[in-house]
Amino acid sequence: AQSVTQPDIHITVSEGASLELRCNYSYGATPYLFWYVQSPGQGLQLLLKYFSGDTLVQGIKGFEAEFKRSQSSFNLRKPSVHWSDAAEYFCAVGANNAGNMLTFGGGTRLMVKP
Amino acid sequence: DGGITQSPKYLFRKEGQNVTLSCEQNLNHDAMYWYRQDPGQGLRLIYYSQIVNDFQKGDIAEGYSVSREKKESFPLTVTSAQKNPTAFYLCASSKGTGWGTEAFFGQGTRLTVV
Repeated sequence: AQSVTQPDIHITVSEGASLELRCNYSYGATPYLFWYVQSPGQGLQLLLKYFSGDTLVQGIKGFEAEFKRSQSSFNLRKPSVHWSDAAEYFCAVGANNAGNMLTFGGGTRLMVKP
Repeated sequence: DGGITQSPKYLFRKEGQNVTLSCEQNLNHDAMYWYRQDPGQGLRLIYYSQIVNDFQKGDIAEGYSVSREKKESFPLTVTSAQKNPTAFYLCASSKGTGWGTEAFFGQGTRLTVV
């Protein structure tokens, strides 16, 4: 069965600083990988996804993520964080299983200092 | 606009009562899902349905029940057998059952036992 680990529960960065959120997955074949963002009390919004091809994926709101097969990682990055980026971020893996279910990591809560 | 609507946004339940959370989608998606979210634990799958009149248990189905009588609707009942029902519940849907299809989420229902 697949699994996802987000090692950092909380991260605090200053506004304007760069950001990297870590995600490691466990899956026997090439996975489909997703990053979602959740504002407090809201649902999840898709930031970006990786299916195949170019390992550097661009998403919405200036985010990007890089798939590294050798490290089983799919880290999310942003060059300059804005205060509105404060939220919880979830990495998820989709696998070739019945029901097309996603497996989510535990989430990373991002706080942005002014 | 197409989307997923969950209602109510907040729900209070007395111990021993059953409550039903509504989830409706107008995206014409075949698959629908219910996730439970607890602080620091990410999202855990309760039930999913790939097609009308069929549904499968997820990782934490005990104390919950669902129905899928219509393509657009997938209500979740939290029964009195659920020992710790206070949580944030998220409904999602996806276009098909092919793997890698992204999930779209509703805005969630926060259930509190009083």
